[in-house]
Amino acid sequence: DIQMTQSPSSLSASVGDRVTITCRASQTITNYLNWYQQKPGKAPTILIHTTFNLQSGVPSRFSGSGSGTDFTLTIRNLQPEDSATYYCQQSYTSPWTFGQGTRVEVK
Amino acid sequence: EVQLVESGGGLVQPGGSLRLSCAASGFTVSSNYMSWIRQAPGKGLEWISLIYSGGSTYYADSVKGRFTISRDNYKNTLYLQMNSLRPEDTAVYYCAREPALDYWGQGTLVNVSS
Repeated sequence: DIQMTQSPSSLSASVGDRVTITCRASQTITNYLNWYQQKPGKAPTILIHTTFNLQSGVPSRFSGSGSGTDFTLTIRNLQPEDSATYYCQQSYTSPWTFGQGTRVEVK
Repeated sequence: EVQLVESGGGLVQPGGSLRLSCAASGFTVSSNYMSWIRQAPGKGLEWISLIYSGGSTYYADSVKGRFTISRDNYKNTLYLQMNSLRPEDTAVYYCAREPALDYWGQGTLVNVSS
């Protein structure tokens, strides 16, 4: 199985900051990397699919980059509503696997 | 509007069975591939099963041989039959539309406990 490793596991940042979350795959997944946001008690929602494609309705302050094994989610101009846990997920090969999550606190 | 509504969760004893349902609206389940994902209390997300539009199915090792994914095209509903349940299967179970899990249900809680 492909292992997905996210870092950091948690972070705290201020409104207006730029935040970067990284995700590393244990083997190449080309660009089959998706990012999700989950708020407490809610189902996850997709932010970005296939590395850099912003899902319809997601604010443009979210962006994704990377290829192969190393990927990044960037949140620019951090907002209070961005407090959540963020997960990466590979959809290159079954079984799909998720990173362990990054908890983002907005101060 | 795309909507997914799970049902069928509850309290079950170890070794018992449950069948989860995921009723879809706004799209056709049989024309898409669909996944089940679970989340144990306070833990991360775990993908557990996938069914392709052609009917091929895939499972995580943790549930292989115990869980079965299926769908009813007439009811536009996805199912997860869960047998031989274990305490470690306790989780919120979500269905989601593929590709890229673009729509999720609200989740249904399965509690395996004596």
